[in-house]
Amino acid sequence: QVQLVQSGAEVKKPGASVKVSCKASGYSFRSYSLNWVRQAPGQGLEWMGWISGYNGNIKYAQKFQGRVTMTTDTSASTAYMELGSLKSDDTAVYYCARGASMIRLVESDYWGQGTLVTVSS
Amino acid sequence: EIVMTQSPATLSVSPGERATLSCRASQSVSSNLAWYQQKPGQAPRLLIYGASTRATAVPARFSGSGSGTEFTLTISSLQSDDFAVYYCQQYDNWPPITFGQGTRLEIK
Repeated sequence: QVQLVQSGAEVKKPGASVKVSCKASGYSFRSYSLNWVRQAPGQGLEWMGWISGYNGNIKYAQKFQGRVTMTTDTSASTAYMELGSLKSDDTAVYYCARGASMIRLVESDYWGQGTLVTVSS
Repeated sequence: EIVMTQSPATLSVSPGERATLSCRASQSVSSNLAWYQQKPGQAPRLLIYGASTRATAVPARFSGSGSGTEFTLTISSLQSDDFAVYYCQQYDNWPPITFGQGTRLEIK
């Protein structure tokens, strides 16, 4: 069965960086894409960016441009999202979610369990 | 950026009754719209994509309709498991993909 398993919770200080991993199983990693979506405590869903497992194409939300880096290791069926210059309002649960197309942004049909990132001094 | 607006913010419905949730886009998104269900402490779950196609294993009591700027998610006969927060998402014009702010469906 399709599974996305994310790395564990992180606590970071303001100004630091965090790198979240998302290991995929149960499907061909290169045949789909991955979205990264975050959710601040008690808030809604916010899309951060997308990466194709097929050709590595990337789209970032403008809000995070220059501060986020999304990568994949196709040999390990794993995606990574690194967010730098952390601020307290980056405290959120970060989700990876499989995009149902390898080449364009569409719906997300499977989601990881989420990774809580807490930014606090 | 396309703004998605959901209404109402909170909907109170009794089990067994019908629930109708609305989502409006600030410009046409054709049929490139999805609905997700999220329960406390869980990741979102895809319910509907392409505005009206049920995702795998989604019960038939969930249905989606609409195109352009106006969309509806209908739950025909609410069960206790359906009380959750529902989000719409457009993927017509990107980046960015955008979500509505959510509708909380609560037990009346």
